Amino acid sequence: NAGVTQTPKFRVLKTGQSMTLLCAQDMNHEYMYWYRQDPGMGLRLIHYSVGEGTTAKGEVPDGYNVSRLKKQNFLLGLESAAPSQTSVYFCASSPGTGRSYEQYFGPGTRLTVT
Amino acid sequence: GNSVTQMEGPVTLSEEAFLTINCTYTATGYPSLFWYVQYPGEGLQLLLKATKADDKGSNKGFEATYRKETTSFHLEKGSVQVSDSAVYFCALSDRYFGNEKLTFGTGTRLTIIP
Repeated sequence: NAGVTQTPKFRVLKTGQSMTLLCAQDMNHEYMYWYRQDPGMGLRLIHYSVGEGTTAKGEVPDGYNVSRLKKQNFLLGLESAAPSQTSVYFCASSPGTGRSYEQYFGPGTRLTVT
Repeated sequence: GNSVTQMEGPVTLSEEAFLTINCTYTATGYPSLFWYVQYPGEGLQLLLKATKADDKGSNKGFEATYRKETTSFHLEKGSVQVSDSAVYFCALSDRYFGNEKLTFGTGTRLTIIP
């Protein structure tokens, strides 16, 4: 039981390049989330999904897109990377409303945009 | 909107000292409250939680009591160890709107010296 996994762990991009971050969970959770963590800012929600095929905007969605084609996977895309997107990105999952509000986090992806 | 305010760090204590990290919140509805811990290079892990007023969450010697009258959820530990060095995040999940979005504080870095 791996929990929540993220790939890659580290990535360096040039401004304007694109990339996709992959999150996978093996706990059959309904809800999945993408956060970014910046110094002094805590964690901020980028996008989230309440089930396969659904996505919704969080607090800081601009410059990112997401897809949830399979229940176990949640992809975060950057179409044209900018230096302001340098951050540590965390994926999380949770069982769903009414059952548990605990979120389980992946180990993070450290992204640097130069 | 929802918000979480927690004690600014960094906090440095000697081993076996008493720890308090303050957390206060603003929320509509009836939030659940959480403390997450992030060890160096890792993702966030749930440390403890409380889902209603006067509940006490506890784990690994840490405790926090959900105080609705003061809108607080302060984290305490009677005798800290070097292994407790980490960043601690207070968070709330607003159940009133039927979702599980977490709102995080900015985090408090704790360093324990032998």
